Amino acid sequence: QGQLVQSGAEVKKPGASVKVSCKASGYTFSSYGISWVRQAPGQGLEWMGWISGYNGKTNYAQKVQGRVTMTTDTSTNIAYMELRSLTSDDTAVYYCARRSVFGMDVWGQGTTVTVSS
Amino acid sequence: EIVLTQSPGTLSLSPGERATLSCRASQSVGGSFLAWYQHKPGQAPSLLIHSASSRATDVPDRFSGSGSGTNFTLTITRLEPEDFAVYYCQQYSSSHYTFGQGTKVEIK
Repeated sequence: QGQLVQSGAEVKKPGASVKVSCKASGYTFSSYGISWVRQAPGQGLEWMGWISGYNGKTNYAQKVQGRVTMTTDTSTNIAYMELRSLTSDDTAVYYCARRSVFGMDVWGQGTTVTVSS
Repeated sequence: EIVLTQSPGTLSLSPGERATLSCRASQSVGGSFLAWYQHKPGQAPSLLIHSASSRATDVPDRFSGSGSGTNFTLTITRLEPEDFAVYYCQQYSSSHYTFGQGTKVEIK
């Protein structure tokens, strides 16, 4: 079925960067992509982008394009999402999810990122 | 970008009642690549429905999805206490995915 385990909570200052990891297990990593989704306090879900587990191809949402980089390490089955130039608007819970033909069918537990001076 | 609009914003119902949630797209969702997710506070979202009408693994049959093109519906036939949550539709037809703003199903 598959499992995704994310790294722990982060507290960052405005202008800093954050890198969240997402370790996959229980399935063939290269057969699926990883999407990243975030939820700011009191807001809905926001898709940030996805990365192919096969060839590393990426597709980013316009809102974060230029500030986000998604990568994978196929030797360890870990996906990473780095977000730069953080502002208070980036305070959110960040989720990774397995991207399949069925949508996003396996989710990580979420990583809270707090941006505060 | 495909914009998804969900209605109503909040649905106040009692256990045992039927819930009907709507999701309208700004343009046709190709291949009916439309999913529904349930999201409870403090938990990760979970996939309920994919391809507009196919239940995900282990999802109870009281959940059903329908629709095509620009109009989609999630129906919960008899609300159980554990069904009170926020529900999101999401399209994965275009390379840029989008979510609706969510419908909260609350206990009346």
